Amino acid sequence: DAKTTQPNSMESNEEEPVHLPCNHSTISGTDYIHWYRQLPSQGPEYVIHGLTSNVNNRMASLAIAEDRKSSTLILHRATLRDAAVYYCILRDNQGGKLIFGQGTELSVKP
Amino acid sequence: DSGVTQTPKHLITATGQRVTLRCSPRSGDLSVYWYQQSLDQGLQFLIQYYNGEERAKGNILERFSAQQFPDLHSELNLSSLELGDSALYFCASSVAPRGTYNEQFFGPGTRLTVL
Repeated sequence: DAKTTQPNSMESNEEEPVHLPCNHSTISGTDYIHWYRQLPSQGPEYVIHGLTSNVNNRMASLAIAEDRKSSTLILHRATLRDAAVYYCILRDNQGGKLIFGQGTELSVKP
Repeated sequence: DSGVTQTPKHLITATGQRVTLRCSPRSGDLSVYWYQQSLDQGLQFLIQYYNGEERAKGNILERFSAQQFPDLHSELNLSSLELGDSALYFCASSVAPRGTYNEQFFGPGTRLTVL
């Protein structure tokens, strides 16, 4: 499974945008980029995923570099509830399991 | 609430014992996954079932086993427990075993403490 690299931690102010980076230089052509997050004392939850084009949903946006070697999860207006560990995961379309890395711990200041 | 339920929430037991963790997937989901989260190893995939059949295996110890029943609930059996087995165990479910839209929904976890 291809690896991803994320900063260990990031800080944000409430109501400001947050850009969470992820490097995946060994990504293969069939790998999708998935983001999950884990709020304190909860199980992980799905955030967003994409292949090549940028993606938007109600939770976040995913910006994917043209060479697909990196991506950025964008939270448009951080709230205190967005404080969590964010995981960037590569997954082949044929695979089901998720391989979690260390993730980025996001803290949000009021 | 993801729709995935796990019981019990907490489990405290002694070394050498055997425990069973239970998971009920979301209604309509056929695939179940088990993950272990510990402080030193992070979140690790253990095993996946799809419609009663084992689909994929990860870093699951031989002392651990799992199964998925005809009603689609799953059980993870941990035996000859060691201190290092203390962890959070998450169950997740998805509609399909793989594929683009195979979003996984996680339960709240079972916290196992081995004394």
